[in-house]
Amino acid sequence: DAKTTQPPSMDCAEGRAANLPCNHSTISGNEYVYWYRQIHSQGPQYIIHGLKNNETNEMASLIITEDRKSSTLILPHATLRDTAVYYCIVQLKTSYDKVIFGPGTSLSVIP
Amino acid sequence: SAVISQKPSRDICQRGTSLTIQCQVDSQVTMMFWYRQQPGQSLTLIATANQGSEATYESGFVIDKFPISRPNLTFSTLTVSNMSPEDSSIYLCTGTDSGNTIYFGEGSWLTVV
Repeated sequence: DAKTTQPPSMDCAEGRAANLPCNHSTISGNEYVYWYRQIHSQGPQYIIHGLKNNETNEMASLIITEDRKSSTLILPHATLRDTAVYYCIVQLKTSYDKVIFGPGTSLSVIP
Repeated sequence: SAVISQKPSRDICQRGTSLTIQCQVDSQVTMMFWYRQQPGQSLTLIATANQGSEATYESGFVIDKFPISRPNLTFSTLTVSNMSPEDSSIYLCTGTDSGNTIYFGEGSWLTVV
């Protein structure tokens, strides 16, 4: 089973920030939080990952709570091209273990 | 980052036939996996492709139906055997680098008629 839970769907107005939550209450101390997204008809792509500090890159920001039981992916200025399914997963950074995907959050950016 | 190429990208197959999907990575990855994504669903792990040895299958998937090879670090194949319409899916090859970031191929869209 996936180690994370996410809302099945969300809407966001174009140009506004999209905040996608993820619950990972059973995360262990050496597991990282990774986010991927899948735009329709394409293979999934990596967005960002983090351990306990907040992270930012050119695509998004990742906010992880102090207890690490949940996190939020932030797309600061959502565009129509950000409409996709977003997957939050937890995994060891140097693991050779398999990765199980949950159903993810289907984000619709609305004009 | 790694680039993963899959072929065929799309195919329509007759039931009862078999199709082999090839996956090539442009740089070395530590792990390779095969996933299936049925219409409107999330990704389901089929198996871990182990270099030079038999793949490790998840519950519900068997070697006779989905034989997998990985002769070296950068190449793997998945065969979907004796296909039925229920096998119509996207099949995705993934590679994981030393930092455990997962790279995905664009998928092979399979329709069984």
